[in-house]
Amino acid sequence: DTEVTQTPKHLVMGMTNKKSLKCEQHMGHRAMYWYKQKAKKPPELMFVYSYEKLSINESVPSRFSPECPNSSLLNLHLHALQPEDSALYLCASSQGQGARGNTIYFGEGSWLTVV
Amino acid sequence: DQQVKQNSPSLSVQEGRISILNCDYTNSMFDYFLWYKKYPAEGPTFLISISSIKDKNEDGRFTVFLNKSAKHLSLHIVPSQPGDSAVYFCAASGKGSARQLTFGSGTQLTVLP
Repeated sequence: DTEVTQTPKHLVMGMTNKKSLKCEQHMGHRAMYWYKQKAKKPPELMFVYSYEKLSINESVPSRFSPECPNSSLLNLHLHALQPEDSALYLCASSQGQGARGNTIYFGEGSWLTVV
Repeated sequence: DQQVKQNSPSLSVQEGRISILNCDYTNSMFDYFLWYKKYPAEGPTFLISISSIKDKNEDGRFTVFLNKSAKHLSLHIVPSQPGDSAVYFCAASGKGSARQLTFGSGTQLTVLP
């Protein structure tokens, strides 16, 4: 089982709203990731959590706030977003960060539209 | 500076024939390579990977070849099926960058019935 589950699949929010994206995996993976993907572009790394601690923040604006409540869950809190933040947000997980042969498994993504 | 390059944005192949998708990389620290397949509005699906200690890895209809001296890898799909039509991303990781994935820009494969 290589399943990463994301909710919601689609989200429309106004620029003053506060919303959250949620991600869950039950593969026992200790690294979890948030990526952002625009149409026809490769995924761009936003955050990495390793053993429930934030290990990488790729200079993401503070209007995106990640949270890892436990080893199976990863949230992305959204506040005061801009229309250009509209994209597919992908959660991913892997056995561990930094290991050779570390395959990253992606969820189906949450389509975010900021109006 | 693109460290992983997929120079063909698109490829069309007849059903039943071989699809060959190519990927080049510049960073000699990369030692693990992956191919992902992506349908519209879905997340990338892991297909196949190869470690730099090998030059070939096969899984069913999918084979990945690695030529380290040329810093080149390719994905062969035989026989191609219409359901293979998707965007294929090549990705690499290595000892630098905390082993995060570096993705190529993707190749849109269309398999014609």
